Amino acid sequence: GAGVSQSPSNKVTEKGKDVELRCDPISGHTALYWYRQSLGQGLEFLIYFQGNSAPDKSGLPSDRFSAERTGGSVSTLTIQRTQQEDSAVYLCASTLRAGLAIYEQYFGPGTRLTVT
Amino acid sequence: GNSVTQMEGPVTLSEEAFLTINCTYTATGYPSLFWYVQYPGEGLQLLLKATKADDKGSNKGFEATYRKETTSFHLEKGSVQVSDSAVYFCALKGGGADGLTFGKGTHLIIQP
Repeated sequence: GAGVSQSPSNKVTEKGKDVELRCDPISGHTALYWYRQSLGQGLEFLIYFQGNSAPDKSGLPSDRFSAERTGGSVSTLTIQRTQQEDSAVYLCASTLRAGLAIYEQYFGPGTRLTVT
Repeated sequence: GNSVTQMEGPVTLSEEAFLTINCTYTATGYPSLFWYVQYPGEGLQLLLKATKADDKGSNKGFEATYRKETTSFHLEKGSVQVSDSAVYFCALKGGGADGLTFGKGTHLIIQP
């Protein structure tokens, strides 16, 4: 079946612009995660959704970052007023249900964001 | 908070050599432990996992044992192949419903 998909695969934007990154999880997976992979910080957990709700937003790097998930499926990560330090690969993962390690997280291919 | 420390790369080995990539962790409670692999040009995928102390995870000839007394989860393979060249990430998941905590990754290069 189809895996996790993300779009766009690459995004180049100018400093100060807003960007939206999209994630389509595996059908039937109720939990969705966003991570960021950068040279300096490695792989960082940003936020997760169980269903449509995001119980904990404290992992987001700043208040310029926000995420939503509608209909229990597609999620959008929005970065406002982008800065050069936002340049990274943004990864999305989904799993059957949050909270239990027996459920494997399946990762998408990522969106490479470059802020110039 | 939770943290994972793994040996820095790159690690370069000859084909058929024995591989060990060290991983140690700090966590509250009883985390589950994972090794993920990222092959060139591909996404992150689960290699193996262990959910409680003394469990051994294994897959594709790789093994790792959850050692609570040394807070370690070292990855081993008896005879590596060129196709094992990739970046390997050690990770843990705490008891809550939050995300994975990853190490910084180890770039493994296997030469023929």
